[in-house]
Amino acid sequence: QVQLQESGPGLVKPSETLSLTCGVSGYSISSGYYWGWIRQPPGKGLEWIGSIYDRRDSFHNPSLKSRAAISVDTSKNELSLRLSSVTAADTAVYYCARQFMRHQIIRRVSYYSYYMDVWGKGTTVNVS
Amino acid sequence: QSVLTQPPSVSAAPGQKVTISCSGGSSNIGNNYVSWYQQLPETAPKLLIYDNNQRPSGIPDRFSGSKSGTSATLDFTGLQTGDEADYYCGTWDSSLSIFVFGTGTKVTVL
Repeated sequence: QVQLQESGPGLVKPSETLSLTCGVSGYSISSGYYWGWIRQPPGKGLEWIGSIYDRRDSFHNPSLKSRAAISVDTSKNELSLRLSSVTAADTAVYYCARQFMRHQIIRRVSYYSYYMDVWGKGTTVNVS
Repeated sequence: QSVLTQPPSVSAAPGQKVTISCSGGSSNIGNNYVSWYQQLPETAPKLLIYDNNQRPSGIPDRFSGSKSGTSATLDFTGLQTGDEADYYCGTWDSSLSIFVFGTGTKVTVL
Protein backbone atom coordinates (compact mmCIF):
# COMPACT_ATOMS: atom_id res chain seq x y z
CA GLN A 1 0.00 0.00 0.00
CA VAL A 2 1.44 3.33 -1.08
CA GLN A 3 1.57 5.93 1.68
CA LEU A 4 2.78 9.52 1.71
CA GLN A 5 3.60 11.56 4.82
CA GLU A 6 4.35 15.26 4.81
CA SER A 7 6.56 16.91 7.40
CA GLY A 8 7.87 20.39 8.05
CA PRO A 9 7.69 23.42 10.33
CA GLY A 10 4.20 24.50 11.25
CA LEU A 11 5.24 28.14 11.45
CA VAL A 12 7.36 30.20 9.06
CA LYS A 13 8.17 33.89 9.22
CA PRO A 14 7.28 36.22 6.33
CA SER A 15 10.04 36.58 3.69
CA GLU A 16 11.66 33.29 4.77
CA THR A 17 11.78 30.02 2.83
CA LEU A 18 9.33 27.23 3.58
CA SER A 19 10.76 23.71 3.34
CA LEU A 20 8.58 20.60 3.37
CA THR A 21 9.40 16.94 2.93
CA CYS A 22 7.18 14.05 1.86
CA GLY A 23 8.26 10.53 2.73
CA VAL A 24 6.97 7.79 0.42
CA SER A 25 6.50 4.19 1.52
CA GLY A 26 5.22 1.19 -0.39
CA TYR A 27 6.47 2.45 -3.77
CA SER A 28 9.80 3.57 -5.20
CA ILE A 29 9.80 7.17 -6.39
CA SER A 30 12.14 6.21 -9.21
CA SER A 31 9.72 3.58 -10.56
CA GLY A 32 7.53 6.04 -12.41
CA TYR A 33 4.77 8.58 -11.84
CA TYR A 34 5.09 12.26 -11.25
CA TRP A 35 5.30 13.39 -7.63
CA GLY A 36 4.23 16.77 -6.45
CA TRP A 37 2.44 19.21 -4.19
CA ILE A 38 -1.00 20.75 -3.80
CA ARG A 39 -2.04 23.32 -1.22
CA GLN A 40 -5.30 24.56 0.27
CA PRO A 41 -5.56 27.91 2.08
CA PRO A 42 -7.95 27.97 5.05
CA GLY A 43 -11.55 27.78 3.86
CA LYS A 44 -10.55 27.81 0.19
CA GLY A 45 -10.12 25.43 -2.71
CA LEU A 46 -7.24 23.34 -3.96
CA GLU A 47 -4.26 24.84 -5.77
CA TRP A 48 -1.79 22.68 -7.72
CA ILE A 49 1.79 23.77 -7.02
CA GLY A 50 3.75 21.49 -9.33
CA SER A 51 5.29 18.10 -9.90
CA ILE A 52 8.50 16.32 -10.91
CA TYR A 53 9.36 13.07 -12.69
CA ASP A 54 12.56 11.29 -11.75
CA ARG A 55 14.60 14.48 -11.10
CA ARG A 56 14.24 15.73 -14.64
CA ASP A 57 10.90 16.59 -16.13
CA SER A 58 8.96 19.03 -13.97
CA PHE A 59 6.04 21.42 -14.08
CA HIS A 60 5.34 24.41 -11.88
CA ASN A 61 2.35 26.66 -11.43
CA PRO A 62 3.32 30.12 -12.76
CA SER A 63 0.99 31.71 -10.20
CA LEU A 64 3.77 31.14 -7.67
CA LYS A 65 6.13 33.26 -9.76
CA SER A 66 9.07 30.82 -9.69
CA ARG A 67 9.16 30.79 -5.87
CA ALA A 68 8.51 27.05 -5.70
CA ALA A 69 11.15 24.38 -6.22
CA ILE A 70 10.33 20.67 -6.15
CA SER A 71 12.96 17.97 -5.91
CA VAL A 72 13.22 14.24 -5.23
CA ASP A 73 15.78 12.26 -3.27
CA THR A 74 15.63 8.71 -4.59
CA SER A 75 18.06 7.44 -1.93
CA LYS A 76 15.60 8.50 0.78
CA ASN A 77 12.51 7.89 -1.37
CA GLU A 78 11.15 11.32 -0.60
CA LEU A 79 10.24 14.53 -2.32
CA SER A 80 10.65 18.08 -1.15
CA LEU A 81 9.14 21.50 -1.65
CA ARG A 82 10.91 24.78 -1.10
CA LEU A 83 8.85 27.96 -1.32
CA SER A 84 10.80 31.17 -1.02
CA SER A 85 9.79 34.67 0.09
CA VAL A 86 6.64 33.48 1.81
CA THR A 87 3.83 35.80 2.83
CA ALA A 88 0.61 35.32 4.77
CA ALA A 89 -1.02 34.27 1.49
CA ASP A 90 1.09 31.09 1.59
CA THR A 91 -0.64 29.94 4.79
CA ALA A 92 -2.28 26.66 3.85
CA VAL A 93 -2.47 22.93 4.27
CA TYR A 94 0.16 21.44 1.97
CA TYR A 95 -0.43 17.98 0.47
CA CYS A 96 1.99 15.79 -1.42
CA ALA A 97 0.54 13.40 -3.96
CA ARG A 98 1.49 10.78 -6.50
CA GLN A 99 0.47 12.06 -9.90
CA PHE A 100 -0.22 10.07 -13.04
CA MET A 101 0.39 11.58 -16.45
CA ARG A 102 -0.26 10.13 -19.90
CA HIS A 103 0.16 12.04 -23.14
CA GLN A 104 -1.46 10.83 -26.36
CA ILE A 105 -1.47 12.27 -29.84
CA ILE A 106 -4.45 11.10 -31.86
CA ARG A 107 -4.87 12.37 -35.40
CA ARG A 108 -2.41 15.20 -34.57
CA VAL A 109 -4.44 16.29 -31.54
CA SER A 110 -2.77 16.18 -28.15
CA TYR A 111 -4.62 14.69 -25.16
CA TYR A 112 -3.44 14.57 -21.55
CA SER A 113 -4.59 12.35 -18.74
CA TYR A 114 -3.37 13.70 -15.40
CA TYR A 115 -4.63 12.94 -11.93
CA MET A 116 -3.56 12.49 -8.32
CA ASP A 117 -4.21 8.93 -7.17
CA VAL A 118 -2.51 8.84 -3.76
CA TRP A 119 -2.45 11.73 -1.31
CA GLY A 120 -0.70 12.41 1.95
CA LYS A 121 -2.72 13.58 4.95
CA GLY A 122 -1.36 17.10 4.65
CA THR A 123 0.63 19.41 6.86
CA THR A 124 -0.48 22.85 8.03
CA VAL A 125 1.84 25.78 7.50
CA ASN A 126 1.22 29.18 9.01
CA VAL A 127 3.17 32.20 7.83
CA SER A 128 3.33 34.71 10.63
CA GLN B 1 -8.76 32.19 -9.86
CA SER B 2 -9.67 28.77 -11.26
CA VAL B 3 -10.33 28.21 -14.95
CA LEU B 4 -12.83 25.45 -14.11
CA THR B 5 -16.20 26.53 -12.74
CA GLN B 6 -18.39 24.46 -10.43
CA PRO B 7 -21.58 25.36 -8.56
CA PRO B 8 -20.66 26.43 -5.01
CA SER B 9 -23.15 24.12 -3.38
CA VAL B 10 -25.62 21.34 -4.06
CA SER B 11 -28.07 19.78 -1.63
CA ALA B 12 -30.42 16.82 -1.74
CA ALA B 13 -32.26 14.42 0.52
CA PRO B 14 -30.89 11.02 1.44
CA GLY B 15 -31.34 8.50 -1.34
CA GLN B 16 -31.61 11.16 -4.03
CA LYS B 17 -29.30 11.72 -7.00
CA VAL B 18 -26.75 14.54 -7.10
CA THR B 19 -25.22 16.07 -10.20
CA ILE B 20 -22.21 18.39 -10.10
CA SER B 21 -21.09 20.24 -13.21
CA CYS B 22 -17.60 21.43 -14.13
CA SER B 23 -17.25 23.95 -16.92
CA GLY B 24 -13.99 24.78 -18.67
CA GLY B 25 -12.58 25.50 -22.09
CA SER B 26 -10.92 23.95 -25.12
CA SER B 27 -7.41 24.03 -23.61
CA ASN B 28 -8.43 22.03 -20.55
CA ILE B 29 -11.61 19.93 -20.42
CA GLY B 30 -12.15 20.19 -24.17
CA ASN B 31 -9.00 18.26 -25.06
CA ASN B 32 -7.98 16.44 -21.88
CA TYR B 33 -9.30 13.90 -19.43
CA VAL B 34 -11.13 14.97 -16.28
CA SER B 35 -10.73 13.65 -12.74
CA TRP B 36 -12.90 14.18 -9.65
CA TYR B 37 -11.92 14.34 -5.98
CA GLN B 38 -13.91 14.00 -2.77
CA GLN B 39 -12.73 15.88 0.30
CA LEU B 40 -14.50 14.87 3.49
CA PRO B 41 -14.32 17.41 6.34
CA GLU B 42 -10.82 17.83 7.78
CA THR B 43 -9.33 15.15 5.52
CA ALA B 44 -7.18 14.98 2.41
CA PRO B 45 -8.86 14.76 -0.99
CA LYS B 46 -9.48 11.32 -2.45
CA LEU B 47 -9.59 10.35 -6.12
CA LEU B 48 -13.15 9.43 -7.14
CA ILE B 49 -13.05 9.40 -10.94
CA TYR B 50 -10.21 9.57 -13.46
CA ASP B 51 -10.09 9.65 -17.27
CA ASN B 52 -13.59 11.19 -17.35
CA ASN B 53 -15.47 8.08 -16.21
CA GLN B 54 -13.14 5.52 -14.65
CA ARG B 55 -13.44 4.57 -10.99
CA PRO B 56 -10.38 3.58 -8.94
CA SER B 57 -10.58 0.33 -7.06
CA GLY B 58 -12.82 0.67 -4.00
CA ILE B 59 -15.00 3.51 -5.30
CA PRO B 60 -18.64 2.36 -5.44
CA ASP B 61 -20.44 2.35 -8.77
CA ARG B 62 -23.02 4.84 -7.54
CA PHE B 63 -20.40 7.45 -8.46
CA SER B 64 -20.07 8.12 -12.18
CA GLY B 65 -18.47 10.72 -14.40
CA SER B 66 -18.98 11.95 -17.92
CA LYS B 67 -17.68 14.60 -20.28
CA SER B 68 -19.17 16.44 -23.22
CA GLY B 69 -17.30 19.16 -25.06
CA THR B 70 -15.85 21.60 -22.55
CA SER B 71 -17.95 20.43 -19.58
CA ALA B 72 -17.83 17.46 -17.27
CA THR B 73 -20.31 16.04 -14.80
CA LEU B 74 -20.10 13.98 -11.64
CA ASP B 75 -23.21 12.04 -10.70
CA PHE B 76 -23.90 10.03 -7.62
CA THR B 77 -27.01 8.18 -6.70
CA GLY B 78 -28.36 6.98 -3.38
CA LEU B 79 -27.06 10.01 -1.48
CA GLN B 80 -25.83 9.19 2.02
CA THR B 81 -24.92 11.39 4.98
CA GLY B 82 -21.35 10.14 4.55
CA ASP B 83 -21.27 11.83 1.13
CA GLU B 84 -21.32 15.29 2.70
CA ALA B 85 -18.07 16.71 1.44
CA ASP B 86 -16.44 19.10 -0.99
CA TYR B 87 -16.04 17.81 -4.53
CA TYR B 88 -13.46 19.10 -7.00
CA CYS B 89 -12.99 18.48 -10.70
CA GLY B 90 -9.56 18.77 -12.26
CA THR B 91 -7.75 18.41 -15.54
CA TRP B 92 -4.58 19.32 -17.37
CA ASP B 93 -4.55 22.70 -19.09
CA SER B 94 -2.52 22.39 -22.29
CA SER B 95 -2.10 26.13 -22.75
CA LEU B 96 -0.80 26.76 -19.24
CA SER B 97 1.00 23.36 -18.89
CA ILE B 98 -0.39 22.97 -15.40
CA PHE B 99 -3.05 20.96 -13.63
CA VAL B 100 -6.11 22.99 -12.73
CA PHE B 101 -8.76 22.30 -10.11
CA GLY B 102 -12.35 23.40 -10.23
CA THR B 103 -13.72 25.92 -7.76
CA GLY B 104 -15.23 23.14 -5.66
CA THR B 105 -18.79 22.15 -4.75
CA LYS B 106 -20.05 21.56 -1.24
CA VAL B 107 -22.62 18.76 -1.07
CA THR B 108 -25.12 18.88 1.77
CA VAL B 109 -27.49 16.09 2.69
CA LEU B 110 -30.82 17.54 3.79
